[in-house]
Amino acid sequence: DVKVTQSSRYLVKRTGEKVFLECVQDMDHENMFWYRQDPGLGLRLIYFSYDVKMKEKGDIPEGYSVSREKKERFSLILESASTNQTSMYLCASSDGQPGTTEAFFGQGTRLTVV
Amino acid sequence: DQQVKQNSPSLSVQEGRISILNCDYTNSMFDYFLWYKKYPAEGPTFLISISSIKDKNEDGRFTVFLNKSAKHLSLHIVPSQPGDSAVYFCAASVDFGNEKLTFGTGTRLTIIP
Repeated sequence: DVKVTQSSRYLVKRTGEKVFLECVQDMDHENMFWYRQDPGLGLRLIYFSYDVKMKEKGDIPEGYSVSREKKERFSLILESASTNQTSMYLCASSDGQPGTTEAFFGQGTRLTVV
Repeated sequence: DQQVKQNSPSLSVQEGRISILNCDYTNSMFDYFLWYKKYPAEGPTFLISISSIKDKNEDGRFTVFLNKSAKHLSLHIVPSQPGDSAVYFCAASVDFGNEKLTFGTGTRLTIIP
């Protein structure tokens, strides 16, 4: 089974803190993604990566950055956390092969910024 | 601009009956569509998919229908079971394999015993 593991289930951070959300996948997938889920807005793509050291902006990248130094690990960084970044954060990976776009998700990190 | 829309935020269905969840999209370049199911405090799990070369795909109790001319897809669950109670997201992508998924806003399905 594909496993996508996010380092924390719940986090509480203060406004202005630098926050790191870590994600690891064990299936040698090429693609990794960070989404956030908010009520009434569905899942919105923050950043994604097709390969090590490569990254592309998604639909809502402002206030975030990412790092992919190793194929299995994709980190989301909130440079200076703000209360409007309180959300459920979901990491996903996919193998990037033609014929399949199924992405596998981690269990999510519920981040609260106070 | 919401490219994938699920206009029903919630749906209640009697156990044993058919559940029909709907999804509309605006980007005619989308050529692969997926449904995900999400329980509270868990990540979404893949349910079923369909490519634009088909108009129907079936997997057990789940069937997805695609109407390209109407830019509409639907998920049918029959018979509905209490364990089907969850939030369902439809998603779409432009290219096979490498492209990001664009998600709808979700429909909360409640199965009434």
